[in-house]
Amino acid sequence: KAGVTQTPRYLIKTRGQQVTLSCSPISGHRSVSWYQQTPGQGLQFLFEYFSETQRNKGNFPGRFSGRQFSNSRSEMNVSTLELGDSALYLCASSLGPAGAQETQYFGPGTRLLVL
Amino acid sequence: AQSVTQPDIHITVSEGASLELRCNYSYGATPYLFWYVQSPGQGLQLLLKYFSGDTLVQGIKGFEAEFKRSQSSFNLRKPSVHWSDAAEYFCAVAGGGNEKLTFGTGTRLTIIP
Repeated sequence: KAGVTQTPRYLIKTRGQQVTLSCSPISGHRSVSWYQQTPGQGLQFLFEYFSETQRNKGNFPGRFSGRQFSNSRSEMNVSTLELGDSALYLCASSLGPAGAQETQYFGPGTRLLVL
Repeated sequence: AQSVTQPDIHITVSEGASLELRCNYSYGATPYLFWYVQSPGQGLQLLLKYFSGDTLVQGIKGFEAEFKRSQSSFNLRKPSVHWSDAAEYFCAVAGGGNEKLTFGTGTRLTIIP
């Protein structure tokens, strides 16, 4: 079975632009969670989607948004990019709603650099 | 709110030596605990998890972890490290209905010959 895939793997943008990142979960998985990883803040939860509905959200500004499609693929959008948005964005999928007893499988991440 | 502390930012051990990575959590009830490993340029891979039952949990790649409620700890151990174990290790906790994973800041492991 193919793992979680994320595209693109690397991205360079300038301040003020917007960006869309894509995540394809493991086949059959219906939950997708997004995390931001930076050297200063570590791994922080962005949001989770299950069956096309946002189920949980972290403490990020409204510039960060996401959605999930009927095939469980998910996209994350960041508008009006700031330098501090430079990070590794990780996507994780699980069979059921992300929860304590659901193992989350992570993709390799998309590294975003904002100049 | 739940939280995780990994007190060691960086640990260096010799190949073949034993390893213990520390993890302390803060959570009101019985937590669900995880250890993940991240190799350079890669995503996170689950090493092991604790939900309930036996407090000594076996994972992949020869790792194990012990849940100690009295010490609020979930330390990761390996009896003999290999050069390929060099990576960053993250402890995480979930539970309380919120159910999102809260990660520690990670411990970077360097292996010397």
